Amino acid sequence: QSVLTQPPSVSAAPGQSVTISCSGSSSNIGNNYVSWYQQLPGTAPKLLIYDNNKRPSGIPDRFSGSKSGTSATLGITGLQTGDEADYYCGTWDSSLSAVVFGGGTKLTVL
Amino acid sequence: EVQLVESGGGLVQPGGSLRLSCAASGFTFSTYWMTWVRQAPGKGLEWVAYIKQDGSEKYYVDSVKGPFTISRDNAKNTLYLQMNSLRAEDTAVYYCARGRYCSSPTCRYFDFWGQGTLVTVSS
Repeated sequence: QSVLTQPPSVSAAPGQSVTISCSGSSSNIGNNYVSWYQQLPGTAPKLLIYDNNKRPSGIPDRFSGSKSGTSATLGITGLQTGDEADYYCGTWDSSLSAVVFGGGTKLTVL
Repeated sequence: EVQLVESGGGLVQPGGSLRLSCAASGFTFSTYWMTWVRQAPGKGLEWVAYIKQDGSEKYYVDSVKGPFTISRDNAKNTLYLQMNSLRAEDTAVYYCARGRYCSSPTCRYFDFWGQGTLVTVSS
C-alpha cells in the first residue's frame, strides 16, 4: 500500500485530455513540494513536473501540475500515443522521514 | 550532457552482498546530493537512500537501515550502494538519481536518473 494514492489506470483517446490524481496527507503533500515522473515502457523514470507545477526545460506545455491541500494533479492535454507510460507522483513525508511515491498510474491512449 | 550509469547488479543468493556503482558525468558531481531509488518487478518506485554532497549526511528508508550503506567518491564521480544481508524482497531495478534543491533531510525532486541495474536475490 503506497502512502500516496493514485488511480491504477486512466485512458483516453488521442487528442483528448486526462488528469491523474495523487492523494496524500498533511505529513506529505500538504506540507511539501510534489514532483511527477513519467516512465515509458522499459525505461528509467523521467522528471515531468517539479515544485508542484513547474516544467523542466524540454517538457511540452501539454503537461501541467497543480496542488491543493493534500492532493496533487497531473494534467495532460492533446494526448499522443507516445504519452503511454506509467506516471508517478512523489514527495517527502515528514512523519516517515522518507521520500514517498504514489503507486503509479498507467496511461493508455486508445 | 548529464549521464548516470549504474553497474554492479546481478544474481545473488539470500544473505549475500552486492555493491552497486553509479558513474556520473556531465556535471559537477561533488556539488549535488545523490539518491538511490528501486523498483521491484512490476511494482512502483521506492526511495532507498540519500547522501549529501560531501557524504557527511546519509538518510535511508527504514526497510534498508543497517544492511545497506550509501557512499560516494567525489574524486571518481561515483556513487555507491553497499547491500548486505540481501533478501528476496530486495529484488529490484536500482536507479541512481540526482537531487535538486536539497536541504537536510531531503531534496525537492530528482532531475536526472540512470538507466538502472537489476538485482535479483534468489537461491
